[in-house]
Amino acid sequence: NAGVTQTPKFQVLKTGQSMTLQCAQDMNHEYMSWYRQDPGMGLRLIHYSVGAGITDQGEVPNGYNVSRSTTEDFPLRLLSAAPSQTSVYFCASSLAGTHNEQFFGPGTRLTVL
Amino acid sequence: AQTVTQSQPEMSVQEAETVTLSCTYDTSENNYYLFWYKQPPSRQMILVIRQEAYKQQNATENRFSVNFQKAAKSFSLKISDSQLGDTAMYFCAFRYGNKLVFGAGTILRVKS
Repeated sequence: NAGVTQTPKFQVLKTGQSMTLQCAQDMNHEYMSWYRQDPGMGLRLIHYSVGAGITDQGEVPNGYNVSRSTTEDFPLRLLSAAPSQTSVYFCASSLAGTHNEQFFGPGTRLTVL
Repeated sequence: AQTVTQSQPEMSVQEAETVTLSCTYDTSENNYYLFWYKQPPSRQMILVIRQEAYKQQNATENRFSVNFQKAAKSFSLKISDSQLGDTAMYFCAFRYGNKLVFGAGTILRVKS
């Protein structure tokens, strides 16, 4: 199993540009989520999904869109990038249930100039 | 609001010694789980240990153990026989329903 994969690993954008961060998992996990990691703030939940066709907002959803058309994929879209979105982004997945471990992807470092 | 507080931004320990990382949380939830994650310089998030809130017995995984005090909402991580490979950022996290809330992290440096 590849686990959770994310592409790209690094990305530089200009203010106002759009892009999609890709996330895929091959563990048949129902639950998938996106976090951003900023210095001194830990990881904060952006959006999550409990299954195909179902998404919901996390703690910091503004400026980001998601969709979940398949169990495997959960892309994160930045429609108009801003410098405040410079961060490291992590995708995670798990089986349904509060007790289950979330498995994290390797992260994407995004810089918005 | 659910919050997780890690009051130690940085800590250091000599190889083979024991170190304890602190974590407190605030919640009105009854059904939740607590986790410690390790993030080495590679940036990969690795689960160290988990604790079920309704279990009074403290979780243990090899050299890692927790001191879970539910009434005090405290969840500290003890690392015994510290190794150079334990050098990393450690995050305390609290999961309720479909949401996982992280603390700001503690950088642990193990010195030889």
